[in-house]
Amino acid sequence: QKEVEQNSGPLSVPEGAIASLNCTYSDRGSQSFFWYRQYSGKSPELIMSIYSNGDKEDGRFTAQLNKASQYVSLLIRDSQPSDSATYLCALRSNDYKLSFGAGTTVTVRA
Amino acid sequence: NAGVTQTPKFQVLKTGQSMTLQCAQDMNHNSMYWYRQDPGMGLRLIYYSASEGTTDKGEVPNGYNVSRLNKREFSLRLESAAPSQTSVYFCASSELEGSSPLHFGNGTRLTVT
Repeated sequence: QKEVEQNSGPLSVPEGAIASLNCTYSDRGSQSFFWYRQYSGKSPELIMSIYSNGDKEDGRFTAQLNKASQYVSLLIRDSQPSDSATYLCALRSNDYKLSFGAGTTVTVRA
Repeated sequence: NAGVTQTPKFQVLKTGQSMTLQCAQDMNHNSMYWYRQDPGMGLRLIYYSASEGTTDKGEVPNGYNVSRLNKREFSLRLESAAPSQTSVYFCASSELEGSSPLHFGNGTRLTVT
């Protein structure tokens, strides 16, 4: 089993809709969780981090963490064409390494 | 404030050639990392350096060596390039604390023919 699994995508949503991205992980020792956005040909950029169970909101983005179920998600509300990118789930365990999922590509249709 | 700077941006090598990818950060971060990214594979960790003076293998270290030259610089060396090492390479840095995210450089696109 891969350490970090993301829903395979691609995910296509109409403009203004909610995009829902999911990520599961295998290491129960994982402490910190991150969502990165990567535009084609560019480097990943951090959009959200979450460390405690529950929801964390930042503008149109909401991250949700459930450590008991080993599950972290990202909701993008009021999706815009500029949100079209690949979203990478990442987590850090106790040994400083950051492990990434394969990414989910989101396309927002105008 | 440049953040994380990688050189070169593009490189083409022939099989068997060697090269060093350079990375420098100006954020005074303790930890530095090298990842490779291949289509459909996400980012895979090659080597990392939790702090100056230490280096550790990641998920895919074979065929690579690293040097943590000082707190700012972390280089990745390919001694004998192979076509399987064709990839995009990202350097990143972070604070030592577990809650700290990674900050990425702009990447190096390497092609081995």
